Formats: sequence, structure tokens, C-alpha cells
Amino acid sequence: EPEVTQTPSHQVTQMGQEVILRCVPISNHLYFYWYRQILGQKVEFLVSFYNNEISEKSEIFDDQFSVERPDGSNFTLKIRSTKLEDSAMYFCASIPTGAAKQYFGPGTRLTVT
Amino acid sequence: GDSVTQMEGPVTLSEEAFLTINCTYTATGYPSLFWYVQYPGEGLQLLLKATKADDKGSNKGFEATYRKETTSFHLEKGSVQVSDSAVYFCALRWGGKLIFGQGTELSVKP
Repeated sequence: EPEVTQTPSHQVTQMGQEVILRCVPISNHLYFYWYRQILGQKVEFLVSFYNNEISEKSEIFDDQFSVERPDGSNFTLKIRSTKLEDSAMYFCASIPTGAAKQYFGPGTRLTVT
Repeated sequence: GDSVTQMEGPVTLSEEAFLTINCTYTATGYPSLFWYVQYPGEGLQLLLKATKADDKGSNKGFEATYRKETTSFHLEKGSVQVSDSAVYFCALRWGGKLIFGQGTELSVKP
């Protein structure tokens, strides 16, 4: 079965630095999502993206966050100035049109020190 | 707003025991319902789903029935194995995004 891939698997950064988390969704998928999971807590929706624009975002997704699809394959999440509380597992997901099942990547563990 | 509530964990069972993990939801419409599983150190995998009332999702011996009258989607398995040890997340999908419960950790002892 095709898979969503994410890089890096683990990113360590200092507070205030910018990070870019990368995702390669499944090739014929059109809807893309970012979620995060703070250690020991629930998985939370951050943002959805369709047709090269944000279709929905949560209150977590403030001005420090941005998403981009810079080419035909990558989908990125940028955090401009990381805070300690941004430490979490970040999951990318994608779906083809009209499907219910979201395909999740393995996640990127972000550690902000 | 829409939300999902799961029973608290961790749940510890002996191998071959019966498993129930309760999940209830609050939603303004009729969402699709899901169970995802997260094995240690891994990402989220879809376990099963149900898209309308009275649908039963099933996979790998796990089952859950979409109960509109009780707004529930409880996960069950008749005989758990050590390899079922993981965190289980109930989720609903309305519109595009998934809304997850807090997760229930299951530990199965031999």
C-alpha cells in the first residue's frame, strides 16, 4: 500500500529557531493535514490544505505556523520561532477526493530546548 | 463543538481476555467514526471505521458499532493478544478534519 512519508523523524532545535517539517503525501491525494500530539496527550488537528490553500485551521495554528506545497510532491509545516510548548509529535495525513480514511505518516518528533 | 471522550487508561488485561474500550462523541451532524491504533514508537494506523448509524466496523478481531441513539462507538475484542498492546484512539470526522479522543493505553500481559 502507498505510504505517507515524513522527514526528519526527529528534530531537535533551540527555542526561537525556525523549523520546517516535511511530508510527502500519497501521489494522487488532494487533501492534506497536519496534526500534533504533545507527549501523553491527544492528537490535535492543526490545519487542512486543499487546492493550494488552507481550508481550515485550529486555534493552535497561529501566526507562527505556516504550510506550503512548494512543488508537486512535498507538503511542509513551518514554525517560525519555536517555543518549548511546540515540542510534540507532528503527523501529516492525506486523502484522495471523497474518501473517509486519512493516511497518516509516521510522524516527526520535534524537541525544542 | 464536536468532541470525543474515551475511557481512561491504562487498561491492563491478561492474554485472551475480553476487551472493551468505551468511546462516546458529541457532534452536531452525523460524523464518520474511527478507531486508530498507535503501537510504541510508531504513527497512527486506521483500525476500523463506520460511516453511518448501525454500521459495524471490524478488523483483526476488533469490532465497533456506530450507535446514534447512545452516541457511542465502543471498541471490543473477544480475545486480546500481547501484540495488541498499544494506544487506541477513537475519532470522528466531520467536514475534513479528524477529532480525536484522548487515547486509551492497552497493556496485555502473557
